[in-house]
Amino acid sequence: KNEVEQSPQNLTAQEGEFITINCSYSVGISALHWLQQHPGGGIVSLFMLSSGKKKHGRLIATINIQEKHSSLHITASHPRDSAVYICAVFWAGGTSYGKLTFGQGTILTVHP
Amino acid sequence: DSGVTQTPKHLITATGQRVTLRCSPRSGDLSVYWYQQSLDQGLQFLIQYYNGEERAKGNILERFSAQQFPDLHSELNLSSLELGDSALYFCASSVGQNGELFFGEGSRLTVL
Repeated sequence: KNEVEQSPQNLTAQEGEFITINCSYSVGISALHWLQQHPGGGIVSLFMLSSGKKKHGRLIATINIQEKHSSLHITASHPRDSAVYICAVFWAGGTSYGKLTFGQGTILTVHP
Repeated sequence: DSGVTQTPKHLITATGQRVTLRCSPRSGDLSVYWYQQSLDQGLQFLIQYYNGEERAKGNILERFSAQQFPDLHSELNLSSLELGDSALYFCASSVGQNGELFFGEGSRLTVL
């Protein structure tokens, strides 16, 4: 079964802390997405990765294709980073090709 | 603003009824994806269309159907509604088939 596992499910941090959210998946993928969802529901795509590392401001995303693992890092966290972070993968082949499977999400709360 | 437009934003209806949700993708995007987000199931992929053709199918019930029209807008039809169909329904679009995703604000369906 094609699965996506995220950890931790809940994360509380103090402003300024370095944060890491992890995502593991079970089989080959064509791409991995990190999404952010704020209270109220809107979803924003933060990164799309198929290899290596990407950086945007204080956010860094990495992926290790061999280990089937990705991480999202937030440097110098801020209360406005409080949101749900969701990992999602496009499967590479077989009957699951083109399907997007989501992790359960990580609820991040950053306190001032 | 992602450029993806979903209507209606909120919809309240009764069990057994039928509703249609509409999505207009970003200008130039050929792929449209539909997702369902409920409290107990998280985000679930329903279906993807690319340039008018169905390309991938997820956990979409037989009571649900979708299509993408020549102008690339898409509609998700939900029929014989049940209480459990109450959820946020998101549409996303991308240029290619598995590219960077741009999400609409969602349509919140409440079935009473």
